[in-house]
Amino acid sequence: GAVVSQHPSWVICKSGTSVKIECRSLDFQATTMFWYRQFPKQSLMLMATSNEGSKATYEQGVEKDKFLINHASLTLSTLTVTSAHPEDSSFYICSASSLGFNEQYFGPGTRLTVT
Amino acid sequence: GENVEQHPSTLSVQEGDSAVIKCTYSDSASNYFPWYKQELGKRPQLIIDIRSNVGEKKDQRIAVTLNKTAKHFSLHITETQPEDSAVYFCAASRGGGGKLIFGQGTELSVKP
Repeated sequence: GAVVSQHPSWVICKSGTSVKIECRSLDFQATTMFWYRQFPKQSLMLMATSNEGSKATYEQGVEKDKFLINHASLTLSTLTVTSAHPEDSSFYICSASSLGFNEQYFGPGTRLTVT
Repeated sequence: GENVEQHPSTLSVQEGDSAVIKCTYSDSASNYFPWYKQELGKRPQLIIDIRSNVGEKKDQRIAVTLNKTAKHFSLHITETQPEDSAVYFCAASRGGGGKLIFGQGTELSVKP
């Protein structure tokens, strides 16, 4: 099946700093990538949808100026958490899909801890 | 807005018994319904999916049923094993690689 990677797998940062998470589709061209956030014992909450070469579409309640998403190529999307705060600590998971796919392929997730 | 309700939130069964998890969706345009198994700290893993032109699909011990009229779909696991213990999520989408709306999750515990 299709493979999606994420980097880093975990990161600890100080409050007020920014963190960038990368999501890569390794063996297919992802026309669409999705970013989810998952708090402990909760479901995956969609943050935004990004299509290659265009601006991301954010879900209601997600601050686009805080969570910057870039999908500059068909194999790479990045999520930057700006001015991180402890409440941003969470498990961030990306997924990727392509034209003609029904299925989304998930990355392994990034555990972010803000101290 | 779009919503997927999933029940129960926790389910405990004896090894060998069956487990059933149910979901209801609100978006009548949904036509793709995947089920995921997630172990702690890991990515969701697709275990089975169904499209709206099919009422039932089975893969060994796992089956999914879909009632489009009632907007219900269910996951059935037979002959449960301890390694089936995990959190299971249902989801719905309009297909074509579009966004997934997830249910709240069911923590399944299979006791040996």
